[in-house]
Amino acid sequence: DVVMTQSPLSLPVTLGQPASISCKSSQSLVHSDGNTYLNWFQQRPGQSPRRLFYEISNRDSGVPDRISASGSGTDFTLKIGRVEADDVGVYYCMQGAHWPYTFGQGTKLEI
Amino acid sequence: EVQLVESGGGLVQPGGSLTLSCVASGFTFRSYWMHWVRQVPGKGLVWVSRLNSDGSLTTYADSVKGRFTISRDNAKNTLYLQMDSLRIEDTSVYYCTRGLGAFWGRGTLVTVSS
Repeated sequence: DVVMTQSPLSLPVTLGQPASISCKSSQSLVHSDGNTYLNWFQQRPGQSPRRLFYEISNRDSGVPDRISASGSGTDFTLKIGRVEADDVGVYYCMQGAHWPYTFGQGTKLEI
Repeated sequence: EVQLVESGGGLVQPGGSLTLSCVASGFTFRSYWMHWVRQVPGKGLVWVSRLNSDGSLTTYADSVKGRFTISRDNAKNTLYLQMDSLRIEDTSVYYCTRGLGAFWGRGTLVTVSS
């Protein structure tokens, strides 16, 4: 199975300051169709996961511009430009290139 | 508005069975792959199973292969997960999702305990 490794696992941040989460995969996430199936999810306390980005950097509806995603191959990054209280939760990267699809361990962002 | 509503969770003894349902609305259900993902409360996410749009292709995580069956009724806009030979380690919140996590339901809790 593809192992997704996130760091850090705990991310204490100050309101208004930037934050960054790294995600590394144990093998390339480039699918045979040429797309790279790396998604990012946010799970706020008590809620279902919500997708933020798909195929590395395509922003889902409603995701603010201050949150961005980038990467290629096996190294990916989620960045929050200025952290707001609404950003508290656990962030997961996930690969959909190889079955079984797998998630990272999750990064808990707290203020 | 896309909505996914899971139901069917509950308390079951080890070795027992349960069938989860996920009713979809707000999109053309028959056009999309559908998936089940589970999460032990307070822990990480695990992809359990996937099913293509017409129900002809199914895939399972090794941990549930041979015990769980995913299916769908496109006429009823409903996704199912038949869970047999349940184990304590199957205790989780089960979510249905459309595609690679584009939309999620609120989940239904399955507790396997004697």
